[in-house]
Amino acid sequence: DAGVIQSPRHEVTEMGQEVTLRCKPISGHDYLFWYRQTMMRGLELLIYFNNNVPIDDSGMPEDRFSAKMPNASFSTLKIQPSEPRDSAVYFCASSRTGQVTTDTQYFGPGTRLTVL
Amino acid sequence: GNSVTQMEGPVTLSEEAFLTINCTYTATGYPSLFWYVQYPGEGLQLLLKATKADDKGSNKGFEATYRKETTSFHLEKGSVQVSDSAVYFCALSDQWAGSYQLTFGKGTKLSVIP
Repeated sequence: DAGVIQSPRHEVTEMGQEVTLRCKPISGHDYLFWYRQTMMRGLELLIYFNNNVPIDDSGMPEDRFSAKMPNASFSTLKIQPSEPRDSAVYFCASSRTGQVTTDTQYFGPGTRLTVL
Repeated sequence: GNSVTQMEGPVTLSEEAFLTINCTYTATGYPSLFWYVQYPGEGLQLLLKATKADDKGSNKGFEATYRKETTSFHLEKGSVQVSDSAVYFCALSDQWAGSYQLTFGKGTKLSVIP
């Protein structure tokens, strides 16, 4: 089992540029989660999907952020335009049932984004 | 709202020392509590969990007991190893808010030296 795959692992871009982060969940997992990790705010849930449908995007910071899941094996998180305050580590996670009490979320290795 | 407070790090210990990482929480409803570990360059992994008061979660020599009266879930290990060096996150899931979401503390970095 390859686990959750994220790409790229590191991204450096300039302010104003579009950034796309990618995630491949574990096969058979119906839930996919996007998190952001910063020193100031810690780890925050941005959005999660069930069967490719966005369920809760209340954590998405603003309209510059968008996430899609066109099929069960691929999701993207896009930032346009990017700003220096978006610099963070972005994690993708997946789980079979979504229930954190009885199931386990498996995290990818993260994408470290730096916006200059 | 829900929140998790962890002790500030970093924590540096010698091998075989006793470890305690404090965690307290604020939640509505009846939360489940978790400890996750993040090794360098990797994503978070579930270490242990407890779903009701007085439950003890344990894994890999680590333990934590769900204390409702003190709203705490402190992580302990009797004898740490160099391989335990990582960042440890306390988290909760509030049943009232649905059990799909986790609220994390900011993490505590542990370094174990030989």
